[in-house]
Amino acid sequence: EADIYQTPRYLVIGTGKKITLECSQTMGHDKMYWYQQDPGMELHLIHYSYGVNSTEKGDLSSESTVSRIRTEHFPLTLESARPSHTSQYLCASGPLAGGNTIYFGEGSWLTVV
Amino acid sequence: DQQVKQNSPSLSVQEGRISILNCDYTNSMFDYFLWYKKYPAEGPTFLISISSIKDKNEDGRFTVFLNKSAKHLSLHIVPSQPGDSAVYFCAAKIGSNYQLIWGAGTKLIIKP
Repeated sequence: EADIYQTPRYLVIGTGKKITLECSQTMGHDKMYWYQQDPGMELHLIHYSYGVNSTEKGDLSSESTVSRIRTEHFPLTLESARPSHTSQYLCASGPLAGGNTIYFGEGSWLTVV
Repeated sequence: DQQVKQNSPSLSVQEGRISILNCDYTNSMFDYFLWYKKYPAEGPTFLISISSIKDKNEDGRFTVFLNKSAKHLSLHIVPSQPGDSAVYFCAAKIGSNYQLIWGAGTKLIIKP
């Protein structure tokens, strides 16, 4: 199973603030993902990456941005947080070849007031 | 249009009995299915998966059944334990496509 870490776990910030959610994995996985999930709803893919310098937008329109400068690191940034960004953000990773399973971090709960 | 549907938002089962969680899909191109379990305030953890070339996969107390003609899969948990209380998500993918398509989840409550 992958070791994948997200910080912060919980964050309350004011509207208009810039926030970066950190995600790091130690398994050398090429694929990394950011999902957004609200209670009782499905997971929505907002960004993904196949490897270093590769980033793609997912199905859910998002005002966030991501970067992939190192294999193990896939941070997500909101330039100007709004109350509509209040949600749980889940980072995941998986091997590029030889596996269909992806592994999740513990999630970051963001509340924008 | 939701391609993966979990029509039961919640399910309550007595401890020791069988829990059956259902998932329906609409895209016949899906060829791999996964079940994840999620506790509140944690990320999903992988439970069990099945390829479309099989109709059953078993791992301990967990068995997944796939009925391709009905576009339906189910997760059986036997016997159900209190620690199984969680939200269960099914997900599907097509070939080498990296993206998983997720259902909305079913909250399983195991009663003592």
